[in-house]
Amino acid sequence: TQLLEQSPQFLSIQEGENLTVYCNSSSVFSSLQWYRQEPGEGPVLLVTVVTGGEVKKLKRLTFQFGDARKDSSLHITAAQPGDTGLYLCAGYNYGQNFVFGPGTRLSVLP
Amino acid sequence: KAGVTQTPRYLIKTRGQQVTLSCSPISGHRSVSWYQQTPGQGLQFLFEYFSETQRNKGNFPGRFSGRQFSNSRSEMNVSTLELGDSALYLCASRQNLGYNEQFFGPGTRLTVL
Repeated sequence: TQLLEQSPQFLSIQEGENLTVYCNSSSVFSSLQWYRQEPGEGPVLLVTVVTGGEVKKLKRLTFQFGDARKDSSLHITAAQPGDTGLYLCAGYNYGQNFVFGPGTRLSVLP
Repeated sequence: KAGVTQTPRYLIKTRGQQVTLSCSPISGHRSVSWYQQTPGQGLQFLFEYFSETQRNKGNFPGRFSGRQFSNSRSEMNVSTLELGDSALYLCASRQNLGYNEQFFGPGTRLTVL
């Protein structure tokens, strides 16, 4: 069974701080997605990474896929209250279901 | 292009009743998946439909069922509702099986009393 772990589970920081959240597995994935979900809404896809070692940037968010394609990180620079939400990672292999991590709940205080 | 839509957004039912939730995928997307999200269990996969056929099924009892229509729209049904079925039910669509990106709808919040 493929499992994804995310750390930390909860993170509360002040506006302007930097943070990194992690997504780890013992399994290899052909691609990995990051989502942000706000309360009562569906997850919104932020990025998909497919190549080991790949780095993608989305404004203040930087996503990295591990060289072995078993882990990923999301780094946010100068966090803002609008970054508050549940961050989910999901791994995918062709022909299989998407596997979701439990999420990191981020709170950015003004 | 319009996103994934789900109706209704909120539902309140009592134990023993049944419920049907609806999902319209992004135009051109042929695969629809359903997930249950609860605070304790996170996002759990229910099933995936493609070309009106169930392709994958998660570990849920037979009370949970679904179907897909020729226009790719999908419905899921939960019969004999239990208190533990209270959850956010999410639908996600992707272009085809094997495509590595899926897009979620806003969800249906089901409360079972």
